[in-house]
Amino acid sequence: ILNVEQSPQSLHVQEGDSTNFTCSFPSSNFYALHWYRWETAKSPEALFVMTLNGDEKKKGRISATLNTKEGYSYLYIKGSQPEDSATYLCAWPTNAGNMLTFGGGTRLMVKP
Amino acid sequence: DVKVTQSSRYLVKRTGEKVFLECVQDMDHENMFWYRQDPGLGLRLIYFSYDVKMKEKGDIPEGYSVSREKKERFSLILESASTNQTSMYLCASSSLFGATNEKLFFGSGTQLSVL
Repeated sequence: ILNVEQSPQSLHVQEGDSTNFTCSFPSSNFYALHWYRWETAKSPEALFVMTLNGDEKKKGRISATLNTKEGYSYLYIKGSQPEDSATYLCAWPTNAGNMLTFGGGTRLMVKP
Repeated sequence: DVKVTQSSRYLVKRTGEKVFLECVQDMDHENMFWYRQDPGLGLRLIYFSYDVKMKEKGDIPEGYSVSREKKERFSLILESASTNQTSMYLCASSSLFGATNEKLFFGSGTQLSVL
């Protein structure tokens, strides 16, 4: 099984701090890289699907970058708010089908 | 909005019981998935279906089977539940087979406890 690694596993920040975390994936046979947010007691929701090297996506205070040649993606949150507290998951299709391999997630806790 | 509905939020079963977890999606998606979530292990794929009656094994299919008799419904079956199958089970769907940039839509999960 090809691994998708996320770091750190968990992160505690103060409200207003900016933060970032990493997703590493195998750089060969790249198809796409997905980011999902999973809040407690809710369903995981897609944040971004990225397909091109150098891609940058933004949604409000959250943005993501992609480097397919070296096999990593960064997720940035600017000015963290308590409602950003969630587990952030990245996922990588292992083939040209639709089976996604997920990383272990980064659990973010934002203290007011 | 796409809706993926899982039949139970919490389920408690006894060892050896046959367990059915049901999932229904309302957007005519081709693909449906069953994942389980365990602390520290991320989401792991159990089974995937890309069409009615079509299925593929994921990373951890042992002890599970699936059924997709209708396009909108995908069932996960634990033939003889064991305590190591205590977990959060998530169903998901996506629209087109082979489209790796199609995002997944998830249900709210079923927390299964096997005693």
